Amino acid sequence: KNQVEQSPQSLIILEGKNCTLQCNYTVSPFSNLRWYKQDTGRGPVSLTIMTFSENTKSNGRYTATLDADTKQSSLHITASQLSDSASYICVVSEGGGNKLTFGTGTQLKVEL
Amino acid sequence: SQTIHQWPATLVQPVGSPLSLECTVEGTSNPNLYWYRQAAGRGLQLLFYSVGIGQISSEVPQNLSASRPQDRQFILSSKKLLLSDSGFYLCAWGSWGYGYTFGSGTRLTVV
Repeated sequence: KNQVEQSPQSLIILEGKNCTLQCNYTVSPFSNLRWYKQDTGRGPVSLTIMTFSENTKSNGRYTATLDADTKQSSLHITASQLSDSASYICVVSEGGGNKLTFGTGTQLKVEL
Repeated sequence: SQTIHQWPATLVQPVGSPLSLECTVEGTSNPNLYWYRQAAGRGLQLLFYSVGIGQISSEVPQNLSASRPQDRQFILSSKKLLLSDSGFYLCAWGSWGYGYTFGSGTRLTVV
């Protein structure tokens, strides 16, 4: 069964600090992996998308890594801001691209 | 550019009443369309997806149905809502090579 597991489930950090969120998956065949940011009560917004051949991709203060051999991905947030408080969801797409498997997300809270 | 519209944003419906949520996409043709549900404290669950007009695949047996009457229109329906249908519903469109974009969501509360 295809699964995506994220850790930690929740995280509280101080503004300005860095943090790293983890995603492990068992989806096969693998097509691509996305990280989304979802503000409370809103739809998810894409941060990065990575295919099999990519192992690092950045989007501003967000840097995602992918190790296709170990089936692990991470999302690193640098110099966190209060507006980074949200749920971060890892989503893996199967080989045909039509089906997505979602992680349950990491709830990040950035405090002063 | 591609945009996705989903409405209404919030909805409160009594048990046993019908439901119709609508989603439309602009700026693309023949998109793959999806309906997801997100229950409180849980991840997104795929309900239906469609690869073309009139083509609907159901992922989870439930009290809901979906239809795609036009290329860029996707509708989520129910004849009689249950309390367990409460949740946050998200429409999304995706196309190989373009990624996936989500609508702003509909908060449904069945009372």
